[in-house]
Amino acid sequence: SYVLTQPPSVSVAPGQTASITCGVKNVGTKSVHWYQQKPGQAPVLLIYYDSDRPSGIPERFSGSHSGNTATLTIGRVEAGDEADYYCQVWDATSDQVVFGGGTELSVL
Amino acid sequence: QLQLQESGPGLVKPSETLSLTCIVSGGSVTTTNYYLGWVRQPPGKGLEWIGSFYNSGIMYYNPSLYSRVTISEDTSKNQLSLKLRSVTAADTAVYYCARHRGLGAPWATWGQGTLAIVSS
Repeated sequence: SYVLTQPPSVSVAPGQTASITCGVKNVGTKSVHWYQQKPGQAPVLLIYYDSDRPSGIPERFSGSHSGNTATLTIGRVEAGDEADYYCQVWDATSDQVVFGGGTELSVL
Repeated sequence: QLQLQESGPGLVKPSETLSLTCIVSGGSVTTTNYYLGWVRQPPGKGLEWIGSFYNSGIMYYNPSLYSRVTISEDTSKNQLSLKLRSVTAADTAVYYCARHRGLGAPWATWGQGTLAIVSS
C-alpha cells in the first residue's frame, strides 16, 4: 500500500522556523494537503495542493515540494502552533486516500 | 455554511456492528461534485481513511476495511451513515465525517468527531 513518511516529532524554539517533511513517492503526480490537529480537536486544513492556503490561515504557514518530499514550513513559530501535523494525498493507482503518520510539533 | 455532526452509540461490544451517523446541515448530503468521507483516529494514533461516498452511489473504501464497511446516504434525513461490522478493540477510535471536493481534493470541512469504544 502507499505510504507517506513523516518524522514522528519536530522541536523548535519560539520565533524560529519549523520544517515538517512528508516523503511521497512520485510526488510530481500527486497534490499534497496538510492538516493541523490540536489535542481534542478535529483536523483543520492548513495547506492544500502543495502550497495554497485556505482563507484564515496565517502566511507563516507555507508548503512546497521537491523531488519525493513535500515540506510544511512554519515561520516565526508560536506556542500556539504546538499540534500534530498530517500530510495527505490521493493515490490514484490504488484509489485510496492516504494520510502520513503525523508529526508532533513541540515548541521549546 | 456546511456543518457536519457525527453521532453514535459510544460503546459497542466486540463482534457487533458499529453504526455511526453524520448529520449534514447547511448543505445537502448529495451535493454535486462533493464527496463525504469517514476518517478515524485510534487514541494516541494517527488518522486513517475509512472511505468516501459520492452522491451517485460511487464509493471508495480503504482496502484494509473494505470487507467490513458500508457507507450509505439517507437523503430524507440528509445524513451519511457508516456501518463497521465485526468490531474488535482495534476499532476503538474517534470517527470523523468530512467533506472533500473530488478524490484528490483537500478535506476542507470536518465534523467534531465521535468516540466509539469497543468493549464488553
